[in-house]
Amino acid sequence: DTGVSQNPRHKITKRGQNVTFRCDPISEHNRLYWYRQTLGQGPEFLTYFQNEAQLEKSRLLSDRFSAERPKGSFSTLEIQRTEQGDSAMYLCASSIHRDGYTFGSGTRLTVV
Amino acid sequence: TQLLEQSPQFLSIQEGENLTVYCNSSSVFSSLQWYRQEPGEGPVLLVTVVTGGEVKKLKRLTFQFGDARKDSSLHITAAQPGDTGLYLCAGGRGDDKIIFGKGTRLHILP
Repeated sequence: DTGVSQNPRHKITKRGQNVTFRCDPISEHNRLYWYRQTLGQGPEFLTYFQNEAQLEKSRLLSDRFSAERPKGSFSTLEIQRTEQGDSAMYLCASSIHRDGYTFGSGTRLTVV
Repeated sequence: TQLLEQSPQFLSIQEGENLTVYCNSSSVFSSLQWYRQEPGEGPVLLVTVVTGGEVKKLKRLTFQFGDARKDSSLHITAAQPGDTGLYLCAGGRGDDKIIFGKGTRLHILP
């Protein structure tokens, strides 16, 4: 297993466009998390899946954001009508239990 | 509201020196994790502590969880340039997500 994989690594998009990111977790991990990190800040929780069920969503996740994990394996995070404030590093992590996440390398989004 | 406060925010020291960074909260955590993050990469888990007063060592790094499970410290002995990075603490409170502090950015000068 090569760990948590995120694609793309970098994405530049024009304001108003939609973007979708993909996360492939470690295969035996049933928990999957999305975080967002801006410069000078720690990662901020966005949402969490256990298997295919989305169990919690942060208030940071506006209606323009949607996340899915259709078969309990990979997950996608879509941002509709992107805004400049959406520019950030989007991090995915997976785990078997609550203590000890494995993070991917992230997708850096730049909205111009 | 920042539940986890990390200090100092920035630290630049010479190779070979010792250092301690702190993670403090007014909330009790069921577990606390420390991660190191390098530019352009995701955080990498260093350690998880779950018991009040627990001390864990990872080579030159010593992690301690406060007795009341509200704070933690990371001590590095004889720092090396490879220790340079962003050190993040993250706490879990029984639900399934962890909450991160803003991190301490450490720079070790050769």
